[in-house]
Amino acid sequence: AQRVTQPEKLLSVFKGAPVELKCNYSYSGSPELFWYVQYSRQRLQLLLRHISRESIKGFTADLNKGETSFHLKKPFAQEEDSAMYYCALSGRDTSGTYKYIFGTGTRLKVLA
Amino acid sequence: GAVVSQHPSRVICKSGTSVKIECRSLDFQATTMFWYRQFPKQSLMLMATSNEGSKATYEQGVEKDKFLINHASLTLSTLTVTSAHPEDSSFYICSAPRGRNEQFFGPGTRLTVL
Repeated sequence: AQRVTQPEKLLSVFKGAPVELKCNYSYSGSPELFWYVQYSRQRLQLLLRHISRESIKGFTADLNKGETSFHLKKPFAQEEDSAMYYCALSGRDTSGTYKYIFGTGTRLKVLA
Repeated sequence: GAVVSQHPSRVICKSGTSVKIECRSLDFQATTMFWYRQFPKQSLMLMATSNEGSKATYEQGVEKDKFLINHASLTLSTLTVTSAHPEDSSFYICSAPRGRNEQFFGPGTRLTVL
């Protein structure tokens, strides 16, 4: 079954501490993986995607096909990083249907 | 960047009435749009995939007759909540993919059913 799992609903860290938001996926083909972020009172927006191999706002995420994971990391958390983070997967299933699947989200709270 | 709009931004209605929410891609065409529901401080729940020119695909547990979806054109999808009840009160969000498969989200519509 196609699935995106974010095991942590809430993650609290202190400012300056490292952050890792976990994401595991289950997909039969070759998916494209994304991280989206929703700041308070703002709409969801793309943070980064695996094929770009970029660092946005200090965040990076590496696709590990062996572990089927796409964890989001930042070495030093900032208070402005507090938000809801969603891991997402896109691809076509065996019938050719386009799928875009979101995880349940992790709320990150960065404490002063 | 690409823009997706939703109208109305908030609506209050009486129980038993129907409410239509529009989702528009303003500067790109979208053959597919997605509709989500979000409860306060909770995650997105995908309700359905709206397909231009064909029937919508609903997620398990979502009532097709309750949440009517029409993808009338390449820039417009509508979600109609029929015979709304207080338990339908929620934040409804649409999104549309563009370009390299990035989803662009609307600002959401807050529905309150009295």
